[in-house]
Amino acid sequence: DTEVTQTPKHLVMGMTNKKSLKCEQHMGHRAMYWYKQKAKKPPELMFVYSYEKLSINESVPSRFSPECPNSSLLNLHLHALQPEDSALYLCASSPNRDNFEGAFFGQGTRLTVV
Amino acid sequence: QQPVQSPQAVILREGEDAVINCSSSKALYSVHWYRQKHGEAPVFLMILLKGGEQKGHEKISASFNEKKQQSSLYLTASQLSYSGTYFCGTERSGNTGKLIFGQGTTLQVKP
Repeated sequence: DTEVTQTPKHLVMGMTNKKSLKCEQHMGHRAMYWYKQKAKKPPELMFVYSYEKLSINESVPSRFSPECPNSSLLNLHLHALQPEDSALYLCASSPNRDNFEGAFFGQGTRLTVV
Repeated sequence: QQPVQSPQAVILREGEDAVINCSSSKALYSVHWYRQKHGEAPVFLMILLKGGEQKGHEKISASFNEKKQQSSLYLTASQLSYSGTYFCGTERSGNTGKLIFGQGTTLQVKP
């Protein structure tokens, strides 16, 4: 299984809602990542997890809260988002942080904040 | 700091060659190349490390000039399936997972 699975594929939420994005991989990868991608822009790194511990937070607003409950799962909890947070949220994983074999990306969750 | 890619867009006929460049003003540890087709996830193509090591798909070639902090991706005998947006990603130090992507180069291959 060489897939990174993200759910849901699409999400529409109001600015007062709380929702969560889920990412799962069964490749035994120990590094997992959240990226945000706006239309016609490159992916922007948000968080890096290594061995279930948060190692990088790219100054992401606290309305985004990541969680890594185990080595296969990565969640992104969303609360009080703004319309400008609407984007494609990509999860990725790699064997470890050295990325020598590249990262596998999921198909993403397309988030719309209304 | 975001690397700079050039050109921004390329249109080719099948069988033609293309070169995509990626440059940084800072010293780099590694350069990564990904391709993203419309509506799909980015797919890893290649990694180039300072010191000359590289890993990636057999049909893709690339170079990394450490003195100039520049990398080039060579697409030869292009096929329709090569169409998509190519991103270079750079790391300034190893084993951090901190990959910063360039703005992307859109490649369109026509029959």
